[in-house]
Amino acid sequence: EIVLTQSPGTLSLSPGERATLSCRASQSVSSSYLAWYQQKPGQAPRLLIYGASSRATGIPDRFSGSGSGTDFTLTISRLEPEDFAVYYCQQYGSSPTTFGQGTRLEIK
Amino acid sequence: QVQLVQSGAEVKKPGASVKVSCKASGYTFTGYYMHWVRQAPGQGLEWMGRINPNSGGTNYAQKFQGRVTMTRDTSISTAYMELSRLRSDDTAVYYCARGVGGLVIYWGQGTLVTVSS
Repeated sequence: EIVLTQSPGTLSLSPGERATLSCRASQSVSSSYLAWYQQKPGQAPRLLIYGASSRATGIPDRFSGSGSGTDFTLTISRLEPEDFAVYYCQQYGSSPTTFGQGTRLEIK
Repeated sequence: QVQLVQSGAEVKKPGASVKVSCKASGYTFTGYYMHWVRQAPGQGLEWMGRINPNSGGTNYAQKFQGRVTMTRDTSISTAYMELSRLRSDDTAVYYCARGVGGLVIYWGQGTLVTVSS
């Protein structure tokens, strides 16, 4: 199965700053079938990005995804207070689908 | 709108089984895979498997083969996940989630299953 490694484990930034989160796969992700989710405490995950770079419905344009093959990035251009959460990547091109271990984005 | 409403929290003893339900509304139940994903306290997301509500066909993660059973009742648009031979490390929030292939878009609210003697 494809192992996804996210970095950093924790990212400490201030509102208004730019956040860059990384997701590296142990083998190439088929057809860029890579998604990003946001999860806040006590809530279910929310889909942000699919197909490596397509924003899900209702997701603000400060969120963007990029990458292909084995290296993918989620960028939040200007952090809003509500963006501080845990972010997971997921590959869904190969069975079984797998998730990264998460990056915690915390307020500095 | 798409809604997935799960059954309530459960407390089980080691060795027992648990069955979690997920009632879908707002879309054609048989048109989309239903996935099950769990999250242990303070941990990440773990995919358990999926069911095709139309055919009843299932795919399970190897880790859960032999212990998990996913079923559905199309007459009431409800999916079920049963996990047997529970251990303490099965304590987690269990989510059902509607998928398009392997992409998960809509999630239920989660069901906390606590395994404790």
